[in-house]
Amino acid sequence: QVQLVQSGAEVKKPGASVTVSCKTSGYTFTNNLIHWMRQAPGQGLEWMGVINLNNGATSYERKFQDKVAVTRDTSTSTVYMEVSSLTADDTAVYFCARRMAQAWAFDYWGQGTPVTVSS
Amino acid sequence: EIVLTQSPGTLSLSPGDRATLSCRASQSVSSSYLAWYQQKPGQAPRLLIYDASTRATGVPDRFSGSGYATDFTLTISRLEPDDFAVYYCQQYGTSPGYIFGQGTKLEIK
Repeated sequence: QVQLVQSGAEVKKPGASVTVSCKTSGYTFTNNLIHWMRQAPGQGLEWMGVINLNNGATSYERKFQDKVAVTRDTSTSTVYMEVSSLTADDTAVYFCARRMAQAWAFDYWGQGTPVTVSS
Repeated sequence: EIVLTQSPGTLSLSPGDRATLSCRASQSVSSSYLAWYQQKPGQAPRLLIYDASTRATGVPDRFSGSGYATDFTLTISRLEPDDFAVYYCQQYGTSPGYIFGQGTKLEIK
């Protein structure tokens, strides 16, 4: 069965960086795009960016252009997202999700990784 | 930039009731780009509907989606206790890539 398993909770100080991983299994890694979303406490969902697992090409929402970097390791079917220059506003649960091959929606999601930024 | 506005913000109903949730786009969008998700506390969102009206695998047929252009609706025909959650609509656009509505909380009356 398809699974996306994310790394565990993180606590970081302002100015630091954090890397969240998303290990996929149960399907052909390169067949789908992997997207990242985040959800601040008590808030809605915010799309951050996407990676093409075939060629590693990425696209980010404008506000995250200089803050987020998504990479992939095809040998382990794992996607990584690094968020740099953390501030309290980056405190959120971060989700990876698989885009459906034939629709513009996300059919499988990781369990979420809470990231807390606090001094 | 397209904005998705969901209404109502909170919907208080009883099990067995019919729920109608609205998602309005600030400009016309393709039905192919509209999806609905259910999210329970501490969980990841679950895909319910894509292409505005197609149920995702395993989603009960009491969930249905409809609409086009700027007005989309998620209907739950007979609420079950497990249906009380937050619901989000989502649309694909060119910039940013994807947009979510602010959510509708469906609570037990």
